[in-house]
Amino acid sequence: GAVVSQHPSWVICKSGTSVKIECRSLDFQATTMFWYRQFPKQSLMLMATSNEGSKATYEQGVEKDKFLINHASLTLSTLTVTSAHPEDSSFYICSARWQSSTDTQYFGPGTRLTVL
Amino acid sequence: QKEVEQNSGPLSVPEGAIASLNCTYSDRGSQSFFWYRQYSGKSPELIMFIYSNGDKEDGRFTAQLNKASQYVSLLIRDSQPSDSATYLCAVTGRLAFGKGNQVVVIP
Repeated sequence: GAVVSQHPSWVICKSGTSVKIECRSLDFQATTMFWYRQFPKQSLMLMATSNEGSKATYEQGVEKDKFLINHASLTLSTLTVTSAHPEDSSFYICSARWQSSTDTQYFGPGTRLTVL
Repeated sequence: QKEVEQNSGPLSVPEGAIASLNCTYSDRGSQSFFWYRQYSGKSPELIMFIYSNGDKEDGRFTAQLNKASQYVSLLIRDSQPSDSATYLCAVTGRLAFGKGNQVVVIP
């Protein structure tokens, strides 16, 4: 199956700093990638849809100035959590859509962010 | 109405039994349907997708789609302890997810 990687797999940072998370589709081109957040024992929550070469579309309630998304190429999307606070601590997961008749999405392994 | 609903609570099944999970969706125009498995602390992994009415089998997993009734189900035959996870139903497009069904296989 298709492979999506994320880097880093975990990160610990101080409150007020910014953290960048990378999502790469390794063996296919993804014009669309998605960013999710998941708190412990809760559902996946879609944060934004990232389209190559254009601005991301954010879900209601997600601050676009706090969660900066850049989809500069067909294999890379980045999420930057700016001025991180402890409440931003979560599991961030990206997925990449393989454009086909079924538009299957493949998930990266996730990035666990802890803000102290 | 939520886009995708999985209403069943945690499901406990004895090892070797069949686990049955159901999911309903609201958008009648939905084309593709997916089942993902998520182990605790891990990201979801794709188990199966289905886009035609009827059954699709892959190993011990069978997905069933009924577009007229707008539901999709997943059967896990010969359940193993390694099947203990949360199973997420998803519909194509924005890939709306249900809340998931936790399955616990009891040895």
